[in-house]
Amino acid sequence: DQQVKQNSPSLSVQEGRISILNCDYTNSMFDYFLWYKKYPAEGPTFLISISSIKDKNEDGRFTVFLNKSAKHLSLHIVPSQPGDSAVYFCAANNRKLIWGLGTSLAVNP
Amino acid sequence: GAGVSQTPSNKVTEKGKYVELRCDPISGHTALYWYRQSLGQGPEFLIYFQGTGAADDSGLPNDRFFAVRPEGSVSTLKIQRTERGDSAVYLCASSLNSGSQDTQYFGPGTRLTVL
Repeated sequence: DQQVKQNSPSLSVQEGRISILNCDYTNSMFDYFLWYKKYPAEGPTFLISISSIKDKNEDGRFTVFLNKSAKHLSLHIVPSQPGDSAVYFCAANNRKLIWGLGTSLAVNP
Repeated sequence: GAGVSQTPSNKVTEKGKYVELRCDPISGHTALYWYRQSLGQGPEFLIYFQGTGAADDSGLPNDRFFAVRPEGSVSTLKIQRTERGDSAVYLCASSLNSGSQDTQYFGPGTRLTVL
């Protein structure tokens, strides 16, 4: 019973276009969410986070949206660049991180 | 400043042997976490420390796994009588405090292979 779900294992996007990665969660008590990016043979790198008191947080090309009623969040990357190609993980912070399975993003030149 | 470091980066051992994995957190971070990640999965929580004490060890799979953080900084994850199923990437993270809104920063991981 996964509490954090990323239902798309992979996504392919053209360079310059928008990438949208989705994440759903089941526990309405979660109040802080994070997105991490992971390259092969490296640890996860923190990208952006959002508190449940907000519905949007933006940092440069990265924006995270939170819809609490739907228990859904999404990460938007605009414009997408080839260097963004990596696995993206959504996590809920319940003191320990509870992770989705990740979405592998490929940005094609 | 320096990030989280982990040693060794790779460890190959034989079934039944004992291994130790080390984590150096970011200076000043009071909380330290251990996760492990198998291929195609998200990281799985093992244990976290607030200061020197283990605040939550509910993710340790069995009593072959043990972790310490004696001085509230460096931590060592110890695995006794290793089994092939222990093969995974072991990730360490640290955060300023252990609140639910504290961001965890990760090291590069130790890839453990049990033959």
